[in-house]
Amino acid sequence: DGGITQSPKYLFRKEGQNVTLSCEQNLNHDAMYWYRQDPGQGLRLIYYSQIVNDFQKGDIAEGYSVSREKKESFPLTVTSAQKNPTAFYLCASRAGGLGETQYFGPGTRLLVL
Amino acid sequence: ILNVEQSPQSLHVQEGDSTNFTCSFPSSNFYALHWYRWETAKSPEALFVMTLNGDEKKKGRISATLNTKEGYSYLYIKGSQPEDSATYLCALGGSYRGSTLGRLYFGRGTQLTVWP
Repeated sequence: DGGITQSPKYLFRKEGQNVTLSCEQNLNHDAMYWYRQDPGQGLRLIYYSQIVNDFQKGDIAEGYSVSREKKESFPLTVTSAQKNPTAFYLCASRAGGLGETQYFGPGTRLLVL
Repeated sequence: ILNVEQSPQSLHVQEGDSTNFTCSFPSSNFYALHWYRWETAKSPEALFVMTLNGDEKKKGRISATLNTKEGYSYLYIKGSQPEDSATYLCALGGSYRGSTLGRLYFGRGTQLTVWP
């Protein structure tokens, strides 16, 4: 089945540790996105990528890093510089075209120990 | 950052009631307006994408309209059912370097609860 997979479903981070959230899509979509959701807040964009080997910062990129070495993969690293990483993280992808919708993965919940 | 406003923030209705929500956005440089439904413990699911002023879309009991000149979109649910309970998000599609693959600017959503 075509879709977006995110792993793991739950992730625990120790203080000072970097962790990487996986996002893979087999929809052959060009663009991929990472969002963060906190209780009572909407979706906030962390990073996005429209093409392999290129990505742009979103609204809250500080403390995060990404790579886009393959079209189907867009991993997000939460670095130790991110002081408040506890949140729900959603990955999404989109094909080209003005009327194309965005498809979301199931999400990863990150908790700090 | 483009400001996308949704109202109301939350809504409680009885089963069978019809309801509507509003999404407001800057009318300049409009590209596309997206509506999503986000049920608890699931991923956001696309409802509609609208690109032209006056667009109207319908999916079962849910419909949406778009006015790009005044910068708003309405989402209507006719005869609400408990399974319609969800957060409804709207998002403004942007362009980047001439590409239509730019980011989406999301509103905070309207949380709908339908009581049986």
